[in-house]
Amino acid sequence: AQSVTQLDSQVPVFEEAPVELRCNYSSSVSVYLFWYVQYPNQGLQLLLKYLSGSTLVKGINGFEAEFNKSQTSFHLRKPSVHISDTAEYFCAVSSRYGGATNKLIFGTGTLLAVQP
Amino acid sequence: ETGVTQSPTHLIKTRGQQVTLRCSSQSGHNTVSWYQQALGQGPQFIFQYYREEENGRGNFPPRFSGLQFPNYSSELNVNALELDDSALYLCASRRYLDSNYGYTFGSGTRLTVV
Repeated sequence: AQSVTQLDSQVPVFEEAPVELRCNYSSSVSVYLFWYVQYPNQGLQLLLKYLSGSTLVKGINGFEAEFNKSQTSFHLRKPSVHISDTAEYFCAVSSRYGGATNKLIFGTGTLLAVQP
Repeated sequence: ETGVTQSPTHLIKTRGQQVTLRCSSQSGHNTVSWYQQALGQGPQFIFQYYREEENGRGNFPPRFSGLQFPNYSSELNVNALELDDSALYLCASRRYLDSNYGYTFGSGTRLTVV
């Protein structure tokens, strides 16, 4: 079984400042890792994913994340945030071995609140 | 390329009633999953359908059931509604065995049970 822990429920940050949203996971098998963003009253949009290869993954809107297997972490970063980045961010994992029935296991989310 | 559309966007039901939520998958996607997102929580996997059959289920009681149609659209049915069923219900579609895990989510249906 897998689980995801997002250590911060809310992260306030000023516009143009850097930000890091933390995600740790637990799994007895190898996993795929994802970050999704949810704007108010909307569904989930994929920001980036780690399937294999380079541990530094670049996504949309200037976000990137680094997979650290030894620390079982997949932290999300952005060097300079904008007001429009204000949203809820979810980290998710999926087993590499679930095949066609694979499901996403989500964390509880981190609200990124960008202030002017 | 159309995305995933869900209807209705909002719904209010009374405890004990039954509800049907609908999802139209993205073009070319033949697998659909449903998730429940309670307020302040992350989405929780309910079940997944492929070729009109359920092929994966999360920790939800049997009163949560679904259907997938030949055109890959889908329904989520919940019987005997309880107050704790109040949540945002998300539909996600993808191609079967998509190695890139290209899930596409809809905007959800907000269900309120009173």
